[in-house]
Amino acid sequence: GQQVMQIPQYQHVQEGEDFTTYCNSSTTLSNIQWYKQRPGGHPVFLIQLVKSGEVKKQKRLTFQFGEAKKNSSLHITATQTTDVGTYFCAGDSGYSTLTFGKGTMLLVSP
Amino acid sequence: GAVVSQHPSRVICKSGTSVKIECRSLDFQATTMFWYRQFPKQSLMLMATSNEGSKATYEQGVEKDKFLINHASLTLSTLTVTSAHPEDSSFYICSALAGSSNIQYFGAGTRLSVL
Repeated sequence: GQQVMQIPQYQHVQEGEDFTTYCNSSTTLSNIQWYKQRPGGHPVFLIQLVKSGEVKKQKRLTFQFGEAKKNSSLHITATQTTDVGTYFCAGDSGYSTLTFGKGTMLLVSP
Repeated sequence: GAVVSQHPSRVICKSGTSVKIECRSLDFQATTMFWYRQFPKQSLMLMATSNEGSKATYEQGVEKDKFLINHASLTLSTLTVTSAHPEDSSFYICSALAGSSNIQYFGAGTRLSVL
Protein backbone atom coordinates (compact mmCIF):
# COMPACT_ATOMS: atom_id res chain seq x y z
CA GLY A 1 0.00 0.00 0.00
CA GLN A 2 0.86 3.64 -0.21
CA GLN A 3 3.40 4.91 2.27
CA VAL A 4 4.17 8.49 3.16
CA MET A 5 7.43 9.18 4.90
CA GLN A 6 8.12 12.43 6.67
CA ILE A 7 11.34 13.76 8.15
CA PRO A 8 12.55 14.87 10.56
CA GLN A 9 10.38 13.44 13.32
CA TYR A 10 11.30 16.24 15.65
CA GLN A 11 13.03 19.61 15.45
CA HIS A 12 13.84 22.14 18.12
CA VAL A 13 14.77 25.63 16.93
CA GLN A 14 15.36 29.02 18.40
CA GLU A 15 12.80 31.64 17.62
CA GLY A 16 13.77 33.37 14.39
CA GLU A 17 15.43 30.33 12.83
CA ASP A 18 14.02 28.64 9.78
CA PHE A 19 12.40 25.21 9.73
CA THR A 20 11.74 22.68 6.99
CA THR A 21 9.92 19.37 6.97
CA TYR A 22 10.03 16.95 4.06
CA CYS A 23 7.49 14.45 2.84
CA ASN A 24 8.02 11.59 0.40
CA SER A 25 5.41 9.24 -1.03
CA SER A 26 6.01 5.73 -2.34
CA THR A 27 3.50 6.40 -5.11
CA THR A 28 2.56 9.32 -7.36
CA LEU A 29 -0.04 11.50 -5.71
CA SER A 30 -3.11 13.21 -7.00
CA ASN A 31 -2.54 15.94 -4.46
CA ILE A 32 -0.89 16.48 -1.13
CA GLN A 33 -2.28 18.26 1.89
CA TRP A 34 -0.62 19.74 4.94
CA TYR A 35 -2.11 19.92 8.40
CA LYS A 36 -0.99 21.41 11.70
CA GLN A 37 -1.84 19.92 15.06
CA ARG A 38 -1.18 21.96 18.15
CA PRO A 39 -0.37 20.08 21.38
CA GLY A 40 -3.61 18.61 22.72
CA GLY A 41 -5.51 19.73 19.66
CA HIS A 42 -6.75 18.28 16.42
CA PRO A 43 -5.34 18.57 12.89
CA VAL A 44 -6.18 21.77 11.10
CA PHE A 45 -5.98 22.00 7.34
CA LEU A 46 -3.27 24.33 6.05
CA ILE A 47 -3.07 23.89 2.31
CA GLN A 48 -3.49 21.57 -0.64
CA LEU A 49 -1.05 21.24 -3.55
CA VAL A 50 -2.29 19.75 -6.78
CA LYS A 51 -0.04 20.68 -9.67
CA SER A 52 3.39 19.30 -10.42
CA GLY A 53 6.06 21.73 -9.20
CA GLU A 54 3.50 23.91 -7.44
CA VAL A 55 4.68 26.42 -4.87
CA LYS A 56 2.29 28.18 -2.51
CA LYS A 57 2.95 30.68 0.23
CA GLN A 58 1.05 31.59 3.34
CA LYS A 59 2.85 34.45 5.07
CA ARG A 60 6.02 32.82 6.47
CA LEU A 61 5.09 29.32 5.25
CA THR A 62 6.17 28.06 1.83
CA PHE A 63 4.82 24.79 0.47
CA GLN A 64 6.27 22.94 -2.50
CA PHE A 65 5.09 19.96 -4.51
CA GLY A 66 7.69 18.04 -6.44
CA GLU A 67 7.78 17.73 -10.21
CA ALA A 68 7.07 14.01 -9.99
CA LYS A 69 4.22 14.62 -7.51
CA LYS A 70 5.81 12.24 -5.02
CA ASN A 71 7.43 14.63 -2.60
CA SER A 72 6.65 17.87 -0.85
CA SER A 73 8.11 20.26 1.66
CA LEU A 74 6.98 22.88 4.11
CA HIS A 75 9.38 25.67 4.99
CA ILE A 76 8.80 28.19 7.75
CA THR A 77 10.86 31.35 7.67
CA ALA A 78 11.80 33.02 10.95
CA THR A 79 9.87 30.75 13.26
CA GLN A 80 7.76 32.12 16.08
CA THR A 81 6.57 30.45 19.25
CA THR A 82 3.10 30.28 17.75
CA ASP A 83 4.46 27.88 15.13
CA VAL A 84 4.83 25.16 17.76
CA GLY A 85 2.98 21.96 16.89
CA THR A 86 3.17 18.88 14.73
CA TYR A 87 3.03 19.30 10.98
CA PHE A 88 1.59 16.44 8.99
CA CYS A 89 1.65 15.90 5.28
CA ALA A 90 -1.09 13.71 3.85
CA GLY A 91 -1.03 12.13 0.45
CA ASP A 92 -4.11 11.63 -1.68
CA SER A 93 -3.79 9.06 -4.45
CA GLY A 94 -7.08 10.10 -5.95
CA TYR A 95 -9.49 8.04 -3.90
CA SER A 96 -10.28 10.68 -1.26
CA THR A 97 -8.66 8.75 1.57
CA LEU A 98 -5.51 10.35 2.93
CA THR A 99 -2.33 8.63 4.03
CA PHE A 100 -0.70 10.70 6.72
CA GLY A 101 3.00 10.96 7.31
CA LYS A 102 4.25 10.44 10.85
CA GLY A 103 4.50 14.18 11.32
CA THR A 104 7.26 16.54 12.35
CA MET A 105 7.03 17.96 15.84
CA LEU A 106 8.33 21.51 15.96
CA LEU A 107 9.41 23.11 19.19
CA VAL A 108 10.38 26.78 19.18
CA SER A 109 12.28 28.29 22.07
CA PRO A 110 11.96 32.03 22.70
CA GLY B 1 -17.74 27.24 7.53
CA ALA B 2 -16.95 23.48 7.50
CA VAL B 3 -17.19 22.93 11.23
CA VAL B 4 -17.11 19.40 12.59
CA SER B 5 -18.25 18.75 16.13
CA GLN B 6 -17.16 15.63 18.00
CA HIS B 7 -18.61 14.48 21.29
CA PRO B 8 -17.65 13.60 23.94
CA SER B 9 -14.22 15.17 24.16
CA ARG B 10 -13.16 12.81 26.88
CA VAL B 11 -14.53 9.60 28.31
CA ILE B 12 -13.37 7.29 31.04
CA CYS B 13 -15.02 3.93 31.26
CA LYS B 14 -14.66 0.53 32.82
CA SER B 15 -13.37 -2.43 30.89
CA GLY B 16 -16.17 -4.30 29.14
CA THR B 17 -18.44 -1.34 28.58
CA SER B 18 -19.30 0.20 25.21
CA VAL B 19 -18.63 3.79 24.29
CA LYS B 20 -20.31 5.81 21.55
CA ILE B 21 -18.60 8.76 19.93
CA GLU B 22 -20.53 11.19 17.74
CA CYS B 23 -19.23 13.21 14.84
CA ARG B 24 -21.43 15.93 13.38
CA SER B 25 -20.97 18.28 10.47
CA LEU B 26 -22.56 21.50 11.68
CA ASP B 27 -22.82 23.69 8.61
CA PHE B 28 -22.54 21.29 5.71
CA GLN B 29 -23.62 17.86 4.59
CA ALA B 30 -20.99 15.16 4.72
CA THR B 31 -21.53 12.13 2.54
CA THR B 32 -18.18 10.79 3.65
CA MET B 33 -16.63 10.87 7.07
CA PHE B 34 -13.47 9.25 8.36
CA TRP B 35 -12.48 7.82 11.70
CA TYR B 36 -8.87 7.92 12.86
CA ARG B 37 -7.00 6.71 15.86
CA GLN B 38 -3.94 8.48 17.20
CA PHE B 39 -1.54 7.25 19.86
CA PRO B 40 0.56 9.76 21.83
CA LYS B 41 3.09 11.51 19.61
CA GLN B 42 2.11 9.28 16.69
CA SER B 43 0.48 9.89 13.37
CA LEU B 44 -3.16 9.50 12.50
CA MET B 45 -4.10 5.97 11.54
CA LEU B 46 -7.20 5.65 9.39
CA MET B 47 -9.60 3.16 10.89
CA ALA B 48 -12.52 3.35 8.52
CA THR B 49 -14.35 5.38 5.94
CA SER B 50 -17.96 6.07 6.76
CA ASN B 51 -20.39 6.62 3.90
CA GLU B 52 -23.90 7.89 4.45
CA GLY B 53 -26.48 5.18 3.90
CA SER B 54 -24.04 2.35 3.37
CA LYS B 55 -21.66 0.15 5.28
CA ALA B 56 -18.37 1.57 6.43
CA THR B 57 -15.14 0.53 4.77
CA TYR B 58 -12.65 -0.66 7.33
CA GLU B 59 -8.88 -0.56 6.98
CA GLN B 60 -6.92 -3.76 7.23
CA GLY B 61 -6.50 -4.91 10.79
CA VAL B 62 -9.44 -2.95 12.18
CA GLU B 63 -12.13 -5.18 13.67
CA LYS B 64 -15.50 -4.08 12.33
CA ASP B 65 -17.36 -5.90 15.11
CA LYS B 66 -15.26 -4.09 17.66
CA PHE B 67 -15.57 -0.63 16.16
CA LEU B 68 -19.13 -0.17 14.94
CA ILE B 69 -19.72 2.72 12.60
CA ASN B 70 -23.10 4.12 11.67
CA HIS B 71 -23.62 6.99 9.24
CA ALA B 72 -27.38 7.30 9.26
CA SER B 73 -27.64 10.89 8.08
CA LEU B 74 -25.67 13.41 6.07
CA THR B 75 -24.58 15.21 9.21
CA LEU B 76 -23.89 12.44 11.71
CA SER B 77 -21.57 9.49 11.97
CA THR B 78 -21.07 7.49 15.14
CA LEU B 79 -18.29 5.19 16.26
CA THR B 80 -19.09 2.69 18.99
CA VAL B 81 -16.23 0.95 20.72
CA THR B 82 -17.80 -2.27 21.94
CA SER B 83 -16.61 -4.13 25.02
CA ALA B 84 -13.78 -1.68 25.49
CA HIS B 85 -10.49 -2.86 26.96
CA PRO B 86 -7.48 -0.89 28.22
CA GLU B 87 -5.68 -1.39 24.91
CA ASP B 88 -8.49 0.54 23.21
CA SER B 89 -7.46 3.65 25.14
CA SER B 90 -6.48 6.22 22.56
CA PHE B 91 -7.37 9.49 20.89
CA TYR B 92 -10.12 9.02 18.31
CA ILE B 93 -10.66 11.73 15.71
CA CYS B 94 -13.27 12.03 13.01
CA SER B 95 -13.14 14.09 9.88
CA ALA B 96 -15.56 14.96 7.12
CA LEU B 97 -15.37 15.88 3.47
CA ALA B 98 -17.18 19.09 2.61
CA GLY B 99 -18.95 19.06 -0.73
CA SER B 100 -16.88 18.04 -3.73
CA SER B 101 -13.67 19.09 -2.04
CA ASN B 102 -11.28 16.39 -0.86
CA ILE B 103 -10.14 18.49 2.07
CA GLN B 104 -10.88 16.87 5.40
CA TYR B 105 -12.19 18.91 8.30
CA PHE B 106 -11.45 17.38 11.66
CA GLY B 107 -13.42 17.18 14.86
CA ALA B 108 -11.72 18.04 18.14
CA GLY B 109 -11.18 14.38 18.99
CA THR B 110 -12.23 12.09 21.81
CA ARG B 111 -9.76 10.89 24.38
CA LEU B 112 -10.86 7.44 25.55
CA SER B 113 -9.44 5.93 28.71
CA VAL B 114 -10.49 2.40 29.59
CA LEU B 115 -9.75 1.33 33.15
